[in-house]
Amino acid sequence: GAVVSQHPSRVICKSGTSVKIECRSLDFQATTMFWYRQFPKQSLMLMATSNEGSKATYEQGVEKDKFLINHASLTLSTLTVTSAHPEDSSFYICSAYQTSGRATDTQYFGPGTRLTVL
Amino acid sequence: KNEVEQSPQNLTAQEGEFITINCSYSVGISALHWLQQHPGGGIVSLFMLSSGKKKHGRLIATINIQEKHSSLHITASHPRDSAVYICAVEDYGGSQGNLIFGKGTKLSVKP
Repeated sequence: GAVVSQHPSRVICKSGTSVKIECRSLDFQATTMFWYRQFPKQSLMLMATSNEGSKATYEQGVEKDKFLINHASLTLSTLTVTSAHPEDSSFYICSAYQTSGRATDTQYFGPGTRLTVL
Repeated sequence: KNEVEQSPQNLTAQEGEFITINCSYSVGISALHWLQQHPGGGIVSLFMLSSGKKKHGRLIATINIQEKHSSLHITASHPRDSAVYICAVEDYGGSQGNLIFGKGTKLSVKP
């Protein structure tokens, strides 16, 4: 099946620094990728929808200037957490939407990135 | 009220037991996903359904669109099935691929 990778898998940073997380679809092209955040013992929450070649669409309550999303190619989207603070510590997961024009369109999830801000 | 409700929240079973996890939703959907999240956090997509029933190995997923309900069944459960199982729906009125997630069902299978 299709594979989506994320890098890094785990990152610890100091408060005030910026962290970039990469999401790659390894064997298919994804015009749409999604970024989710999951706090402990809570369900995943969609942060933004990333479309190749255009600006990301952010969900209500997600600061676009803090969470910068770039979808520069059909296989790569990046999420940059700028000026990270301890409350940004979370598990960030991306997914890539494989569209084939058939009923088998589906999302493939990356393994996630655990961010800890000290 | 959450748009996607799962039950039970927690489930403990003995190895070999037949397991059912339920998902009810309140919105019109274009598809429903069953996901598996392991303790490390990684998520695997198990099924995507828009009607009927799908089977993959020991896993079976069913959906009843009229009743807005889906079930995930695991036959002959095994300790390696221990994980959180998440139901997610694609809102018919939302963007393609935009999912609404349930809170998950934590399954523990004891040897």
